[in-house]
Amino acid sequence: GAVVSQHPSRVICKSGTSVKIECRSLDFQATTMFWYRQFPKKSLMLMATSNEGSKATYEQGVEKDKFLINHASLTLSTLTVTSAHPEDSSFYICSASSGNSGDTQYFGPGTRLTVL
Amino acid sequence: QKEVEQNSGPLSVPEGAIASLNCTYSDRVSQSFFWYRQYSGKSPELIMSIYSNGDKEDGRFTAQLNKASQYVSLLIRDSQPSDSATYLCAVMSPGGGNKLTFGTGTQLKVEL
Repeated sequence: GAVVSQHPSRVICKSGTSVKIECRSLDFQATTMFWYRQFPKKSLMLMATSNEGSKATYEQGVEKDKFLINHASLTLSTLTVTSAHPEDSSFYICSASSGNSGDTQYFGPGTRLTVL
Repeated sequence: QKEVEQNSGPLSVPEGAIASLNCTYSDRVSQSFFWYRQYSGKSPELIMSIYSNGDKEDGRFTAQLNKASQYVSLLIRDSQPSDSATYLCAVMSPGGGNKLTFGTGTQLKVEL
């Protein structure tokens, strides 16, 4: 199957700082990438859909100015959590697909963010 | 609103038995269906996708789809303790930009 990487795998930061998470598709071109967050023992919550070369589409209730998404190439999307606060602590997971209709999403290993 | 429903479990089966995981969905025009496995603290891992009515087998896994009943299931034969995880059912509808709607997952425990 396709391989998706995320970096960093774990990050601890102070409240008020910004954190950037990278998502890379290693062996295929990802026209579309998705960003999710997951709280303990809860299901995945889609935050936004990112298409290469265009602005991300955010789900209802997700602040676009707080969660900045950039998808500048077919293999890289980034999520920046700006002015992070303790309530932003969560497991952030990206997925990537080639963008063809019905295509499978392949998930990265996730980034665990802890904001102190 | 599109919904995907799963029994949260835990579903406990003895080692070597067949585990049966079920999922129903509300959007009648859904076309693509996926089963993911998620170990605690890890991200989801694709097990199978299924697009047509009937059965699809891959090793010890069989996915079953019945679009008329809006029902998809996953059978795991010869269950192993390493199969213990949360299994997520995900559904994709046409025109949704390939977005997935996830169920809340079923926790499977395979006991020795």
